[in-house]
Amino acid sequence: KAGVTQTPRYLIKTRGQQVTLSCSPISGHRSVSWYQQTPGQGLQFLFEYFSETQRNKGNFPGRFSGRQFSNSRSEMNVSTLELGDSALYLCASSGGLAGGYNEQFFGPGTRLTVL
Amino acid sequence: QKEVEQDPGPLSVPEGAIVSLNCTYSNSAFQYFMWYRQYSRKGPELLMYTYSSGNKEDGRFTAQVDKSSKYISLFIRDSQPSDSATYLCAMSGNTGGFKTIFGAGTRLFVKA
Repeated sequence: KAGVTQTPRYLIKTRGQQVTLSCSPISGHRSVSWYQQTPGQGLQFLFEYFSETQRNKGNFPGRFSGRQFSNSRSEMNVSTLELGDSALYLCASSGGLAGGYNEQFFGPGTRLTVL
Repeated sequence: QKEVEQDPGPLSVPEGAIVSLNCTYSNSAFQYFMWYRQYSRKGPELLMYTYSSGNKEDGRFTAQVDKSSKYISLFIRDSQPSDSATYLCAMSGNTGGFKTIFGAGTRLFVKA
């Protein structure tokens, strides 16, 4: 069974630009969560989608947004990039129902550098 | 105060040692407790998953949850150099639904 895939793996952008990251979950998984990982703040929850609906979101500004498609693939978008947005962005998929949500499988991440 | 506290280490042990990794938390609504292992430049990998209090064993790994003390542990027996990684605790529960809170991660080095 193929794992979670994320594209692109590496990205370099400049301040003020916007970026879109993509995540394909494990086949059959309907929940996709996004996280930001930085050395200073660790792994922080961005948002979670299940069947195209956002069920929860973390404490990030509105510049961070996401969506999920009918095939469970998900994208996240960051607009008006700031230097502090440089991070590893991780996506995780799970079955999504009750306890099954907690068995999350992570992708390799997209490393975003903002110059 | 963070919801989940985890000592970032680093923790350095000789090969074969028993490793103890711990997290404390403040939110009594947490019901699901996970441990992830993350190698450098990789995504986290789920190691252990427990619901509510108690122990769970899987090979050389044992996870313990003490909800009365709001304290969870991961023990690694017969540690190997290949166990060198960052270990993250994570929790979720009836905290507004489908949101996982991670600890800062403990960096572990196992010396051959």
